[in-house]
Amino acid sequence: GAGVSQSPSNKVTEKGKDVELRCDPISGHTALYWYRQSLGQGLEFLIYFQGNSAPDKSGLPSDRFSAERTGGSVSTLTIQRTQQEDSAVYLCASSSFSGGLLSGANVLTFGAGSRLTVL
Amino acid sequence: AQKVTQAQTEISVVEKEDVTLDCVYETRDTTYYLFWYKQPPSGELVFLIRRNSFDEQNEISGRYSWNFQKSTSSFNFTITASQVVDSAVYFCALSEAGRGSYIPTFGRGTSLIVHP
Repeated sequence: GAGVSQSPSNKVTEKGKDVELRCDPISGHTALYWYRQSLGQGLEFLIYFQGNSAPDKSGLPSDRFSAERTGGSVSTLTIQRTQQEDSAVYLCASSSFSGGLLSGANVLTFGAGSRLTVL
Repeated sequence: AQKVTQAQTEISVVEKEDVTLDCVYETRDTTYYLFWYKQPPSGELVFLIRRNSFDEQNEISGRYSWNFQKSTSSFNFTITASQVVDSAVYFCALSEAGRGSYIPTFGRGTSLIVHP
């Protein structure tokens, strides 16, 4: 697609429910990133995909969080048994970074985010 | 310790004023990249500039300019003659080769409010 698409744009859920957030990156972008943005906290890294693999998932806050990517394209971030502290905007970004350090750091293109509110 | 520090949480100016957004970073890598992104009220982060650690040349793009100083580990961003459309949250980010994959670390952002 022309840009990074995220859905849903807004999600309100009850504490304890599971939620799935979807990201459709720019076509051909092999690198995909999930970040979480909480009020006043900046962007917190969650997980990085290169193709379908996740070489770095060091930012996932707990085992309630998981993510997968299929076909080197769409990614889903799943939060199980949601808690109120999970309320945030979840941002997805993609880039053409292919994984070689010699290629340098690429620019990330971000989606509009999925705002999650846990009641 | 934060790797990217944006000490200014919020800045409020009147249109046509110049404003500088500060960014201080911390890294032990000799190869790294610095970025600025803009997040307007609509929410989507937009890329503004990328600089690598081997290029300390300052850059000017229209009303925007960036001052990269390795000696002080700073990468400051100046908007000249600010306009209401400049109102946004601005993020500075650092990508280090040592982290592997150059995953960007973002600062907490500076909210710029430009009043008419």
